[in-house]
Amino acid sequence: QQQVKQSPQSLIVQKGGISIINCAYENTAFDYFPWYQQFPGKGPALLIAIRPDVSEKKEGRFTISFNKSAKQFSLHIMDSQPGDSATYFCAAFLRGGGSEKLVFGKGTKLTVNP
Amino acid sequence: NAGVTQTPKFRILKIGQSMTLQCTQDMNHNYMYWYRQDPGMGLKLIYYSVGAGITDKGEVPNGYNVSRSTTEDFPLRLELAAPSQTSVYFCASSYSRWVTAFFGQGTRLTVV
Repeated sequence: QQQVKQSPQSLIVQKGGISIINCAYENTAFDYFPWYQQFPGKGPALLIAIRPDVSEKKEGRFTISFNKSAKQFSLHIMDSQPGDSATYFCAAFLRGGGSEKLVFGKGTKLTVNP
Repeated sequence: NAGVTQTPKFRILKIGQSMTLQCTQDMNHNYMYWYRQDPGMGLKLIYYSVGAGITDKGEVPNGYNVSRSTTEDFPLRLELAAPSQTSVYFCASSYSRWVTAFFGQGTRLTVV
């Protein structure tokens, strides 16, 4: 299975709240997990990434939690701000097999209300 | 430092026409990519390159071609445009094979 399943499709959070976006995968050949942020009309921007030998990585208000046994990883945005309103994509790097590539989830549209 | 630059930003093509999407990066990255983004579908890899003279197919290469004669440039060629190629195309570059680090602003292509 070369899919990364992302949920929810959309998320509305109040300013100051915690935004949580979840992703799941099945293929154990995935071995690097970045998150991207995309504003309307712009290209995606790399936000934060985690290796599978690390359970959590934090950068400012953004935290990735990684559960290798469950094959799940999530993005937490603490103290969410209206400026965080964007579409977020999880991704997973598929290694080996002659065609290494980054596989993206379908995205989560986050709206942070003031 | 311009990063990844794509041209054009918008284009309308008629069915059967051809065009080249231009992409250049000024970060001396070996890895370059072309993705397409369709509404609600995330990004799909079309082609990628690990260095000048080396290219390989991604998930959805049919109907496209690429070349990589220099480190900086990675043009995407559409031959015989079809409505199914209506999409937003992103060029990207990276210092690492594990993550696509920098994306361009995108080209919105409509085939009518």
